[in-house]
Order: sequence, then structure tokens, then C-alpha cells
Amino acid sequence: DTGVSQNPRHKITKRGQNVTFRCDPISEHNRLYWYRQTLGQGPEFLTYFQNEAQLEKSRLLSDRFSAERPKGSFSTLEIQRTEQGDSAMYLCASSPLGRADTQYFGPGTRLTVL
Amino acid sequence: KQEVTQIPAALSVPEGENLVLNCSFTDSAIYNLQWFRQDPGKGLTSLLLIQSSQREQTSGRLNASLDKSSGRSTLYIAASQPGDSATYLCAVPMYSGGGADGLTFGKGTHLIIQP
Repeated sequence: DTGVSQNPRHKITKRGQNVTFRCDPISEHNRLYWYRQTLGQGPEFLTYFQNEAQLEKSRLLSDRFSAERPKGSFSTLEIQRTEQGDSAMYLCASSPLGRADTQYFGPGTRLTVL
Repeated sequence: KQEVTQIPAALSVPEGENLVLNCSFTDSAIYNLQWFRQDPGKGLTSLLLIQSSQREQTSGRLNASLDKSSGRSTLYIAASQPGDSATYLCAVPMYSGGGADGLTFGKGTHLIIQP
């Protein structure tokens, strides 16, 4: 399968715990994006990488959110000290070189904070 | 700041009807507009991408139009089927000096096609 994959698909955690999600983009896609989607809303852009460089992170929701893409392949999104308001679907997308307007989305990770 | 609005928020129609979903955006300086489909609890599937130089784009029973000057796009679904039931989202790219960043999405239209 050559699509975008995300793991885990579902995560249930207690408030205050740290969580980390992984995204594997389509191979050879140099751009990788993270979005958050809450119930009844469209996805909200958080951050993106071009290869290993994080080119936009001002839209991360707070300093509890961080993302990495150390080797320019997979990426991780970490949320520290989770809050109930962090409960949402976290979506990852990737795009090929020269086609940043065309993003391919993964299935998402559903986070529930109790 | 770009804002994308979709009307209606929800729509329920009998199978076989033709229908139109609407999307409007506040900043007409867009390079393209995309329509996505999202099934419950799933990721997004791109349906149609219209470049700013195009007026419409077609794929099977789907036809999307774009009027940049008025800040509007429509998605026309012909001969609707129960399998078309999903949430439909439109999105436009955000741009900085380095090129396209993320996408700005509307809240979507939740479509139910009754058998």
C-alpha cells in the first residue's frame, strides 16, 4: 500500500499524560502536514515539514504540541500534559515535490482524553 | 485571513436526485480549490481540484465549478446514490513566501442520500 499511514488509529489517555502519534507519508513525498479536526469542524492546519525542516509551526495550538521529522521520512506529533480539549482527530497529509497544493491524507488518529 | 464557508451544513435527499453543495471564500486570490469527501471516522479523499484558471472540473457524476471573482465554488452531484452519503469539504491553500503551506477548510456539508 502506498498511501499515507498513521498509527495508532485510536488512542485513549488520561488527562495529564503525554501522547505521540506517528505518520508515514507516501514515499518520495517531501512535504508532510499535520491537521486537527474536532467534531463538526473542518480540519485545522497545525504545521508542516519540507523534508526534515519544519517550515511553519506558528499554528501549533500551544507549546504542549510539538512535531518532528528527523530524517525527512516519517513524522511524529507529540502532545504533552493532555487536556480534555485535545480530544480530536489528528490527520496527516503529504504532497509531492512541486505539487504542494495537492495533499494526500491519511486515515487519522482519533484521540480521546478522559 | 481566509475564511471558507459551506452551505448547507447538512442535506438529506432521496436517491436519484441531483444536488448542489456550495462553498464560499473571502479572499479571491486563490491558486486552486479542492473538494474532499470524508466518511465517518475516516480521513479525507480528494474528489476534484480546480485550478484558478479553470471554470470547472468533472469526474464521473461530480462537477465542480469555480468563480474566483465572486469567491464561490459549487459541487454538483448528479443522480445521487446512497453511497454518496458522506461529509463534503472544500479547501483552499494557504500561502506564505515559501509557497503553499496548509489548506483552509470549510466546516463541510453532511450529506445523506435516502434509499
